[in-house]
Amino acid sequence: SQQGEEDPQALSIQEGENATMNCSYKTSINNLQWYRQNSGRGLVHLILIRSNEREKHSGRLRVTLDTSKKSSSLLITASRAADTASYFCATVFRGSNYKLTFGKGTLLTVNP
Amino acid sequence: DAGITQSPRYKITETGRQVTLMCHQTWSHSYMFWYRQDLGHGLRLIYYSAAADITDKGEVPDGYVVSRSKTENFPLTLESATRSQTSVYFCASGPGGGDQPQHFGDGTRLSIL
Repeated sequence: SQQGEEDPQALSIQEGENATMNCSYKTSINNLQWYRQNSGRGLVHLILIRSNEREKHSGRLRVTLDTSKKSSSLLITASRAADTASYFCATVFRGSNYKLTFGKGTLLTVNP
Repeated sequence: DAGITQSPRYKITETGRQVTLMCHQTWSHSYMFWYRQDLGHGLRLIYYSAAADITDKGEVPDGYVVSRSKTENFPLTLESATRSQTSVYFCASGPGGGDQPQHFGDGTRLSIL
């Protein structure tokens, strides 16, 4: 079964609002990564957070990791129409030799 | 970004035919991966390779064959295509080391009639 599961499956917001997506996983991880996928394109890496980190920032992105709850969240602040995409969390679990296990993704729609 | 390219972008074929999807990367990354993306399943790993001549199975390897004679190429072959293999296929590469991201191509949309 999938290691990561995103919530919600779909999210629709207005430009300027914040968007929060959550990810849960089942076993111990080395790191957790978030990727974005625009329609018809490949995945683009956004941010990586290691298992010993609790929070990380990159521009308008903020990622948190709670290893005790086996969950992570991705916050996009001041969203733009160009942020419309699917967002996936992916985990590298211990002993997996660099393999990623993906969740099913959250479809974010930002309305102008 | 021309670092990793997949060909063809679109392919229609019939059940029972052999089809090969190509993947080429220019970064000299050690690791390369093949995923399939299906509605309701997200991305699932088919095969991966840690270096030339080293390949290993992922989550859904049945019906697929890979080879890696050169670092930069990682073709995926469906030896006898089935309708259940209709999907979007993504190739990715990465330097390894665990804390490095993977870089994805734009995918091949494969339809098997």
